[in-house]
Amino acid sequence: AQSVAQPEDQVNVAEGNPLTVKCTYSVSGNPYLFWYVQYPNRGLQFLLKYITGDNLVKGSYGFEAEFNKSQTSFHLKKPSALVSDSALYFCAVRDGDNFNKFYFGSGTKLNVKP
Amino acid sequence: DTEVTQTPKHLVMGMTNKKSLKCEQHMGHRAMYWYKQKAKKPPELMFVYSYEKLSINESVPSRFSPECPNSSLLNLHLHALQPEDSALYLCASSQGTGVETQYFGPGTRLLVL
Repeated sequence: AQSVAQPEDQVNVAEGNPLTVKCTYSVSGNPYLFWYVQYPNRGLQFLLKYITGDNLVKGSYGFEAEFNKSQTSFHLKKPSALVSDSALYFCAVRDGDNFNKFYFGSGTKLNVKP
Repeated sequence: DTEVTQTPKHLVMGMTNKKSLKCEQHMGHRAMYWYKQKAKKPPELMFVYSYEKLSINESVPSRFSPECPNSSLLNLHLHALQPEDSALYLCASSQGTGVETQYFGPGTRLLVL
């Protein structure tokens, strides 16, 4: 069975500081991993994905994520946080047996303080 | 263009009403999805259409009835809903049934009274 875990319900960071939002995964085959962001009362916006290749994936709005196979992690990072980054972040993994299925983590609320 | 549109944005309905949610994409995507999301929770998959055929129904109650009239359009027909069905209903699409990205619409906020 496929699953992702986001161990932190909330992350607080000061504007200008680096941020990390954690995600670990469990898959039976190759991992296909995604990060999405959701602003209040909005749909999910795609940030980035890892399918294969370089372990450091660059995405939208200055975000990047590092795929670590040995630690089964796919943490989201940004070198310098903005107040406008405050939102709900979801990690997701595609089911390797049924690509139509996404499994979402529980979400992490990112608060960036001025 | 990675836009998925959903109408209406908000919907209030009584438990005896019949209503429909609409989702549209013009990206040529062949897979479309309905999700239900409660506040501060992850989206829960309801239905998947692949090449206009229903491929996944995640044991959703029959009071929710999906329809895919063509490759660009996805409907969700609602009938005799319960207050606990109140949620944000998200539509998504992806190019096919591989490892492509799912692109989400803004959602319909549903309140059942």
